[in-house]
Amino acid sequence: KQEVTQIPAALSVPEGENLVLNCSFTDSAIYNLQWFRQDPGKGLTSLLLIQSSQREQTSGRLNASLDKSSGRSTLYIAASQPGDSATYLCAVRKGDYKLSFGAGTTVTVRA
Amino acid sequence: NAGVMQNPRHLVRRRGQEARLRCSPMKGHSHVYWYRQLPEEGLKFMVYLQKENIIDESGMPKERFSAEFPKEGPSILRIQQVVRGDSAAYFCASSPSTGENTEAFFGQGTRLTVV
Repeated sequence: KQEVTQIPAALSVPEGENLVLNCSFTDSAIYNLQWFRQDPGKGLTSLLLIQSSQREQTSGRLNASLDKSSGRSTLYIAASQPGDSATYLCAVRKGDYKLSFGAGTTVTVRA
Repeated sequence: NAGVMQNPRHLVRRRGQEARLRCSPMKGHSHVYWYRQLPEEGLKFMVYLQKENIIDESGMPKERFSAEFPKEGPSILRIQQVVRGDSAAYFCASSPSTGENTEAFFGQGTRLTVV
């Protein structure tokens, strides 16, 4: 059974600082890994999808790396802004269609 | 192309009533998934459906819960005789296929409160 862990559970940083969010998973035989953003009371917005053959993906200020062999992914958010405050979820997909989610990291960026 | 549409956004039911949650997938997507997010927990897979077929319902409680995705119309998640423990956010996702590089797109969720 795939277990996904996200550390830390919560993070508070001043505006402008870089954010580093960690995700680890127990079964390295994955198809892909997705990072999502969830705002309070809202749905999930997909940020980045990394295929199993890739080592990283970038979109604007966001960069996600994947080390499949060690079961780890890291999401970097450069020059954080108050608008980045949200919960960030990591989800991995094995050979079937199910996503296994971590519990998330709640980020607060202080102005 | 509208995203995944779920309604209602919020639903309040008394214990013992029925809850019906609707999900319209993105245009061109024939694969629908339901996930549940309990308070302070991560999202958990419930069921996977294609048009008129339940493919995998391994994450759905055996009693009181059912799901369908008819040929016409939205997918429906139905909870009969709701109890307080059913209070949660229910998310629907859709995808065009289940290939290795397929991305899942999620709706805004339905927040069910059982009083």
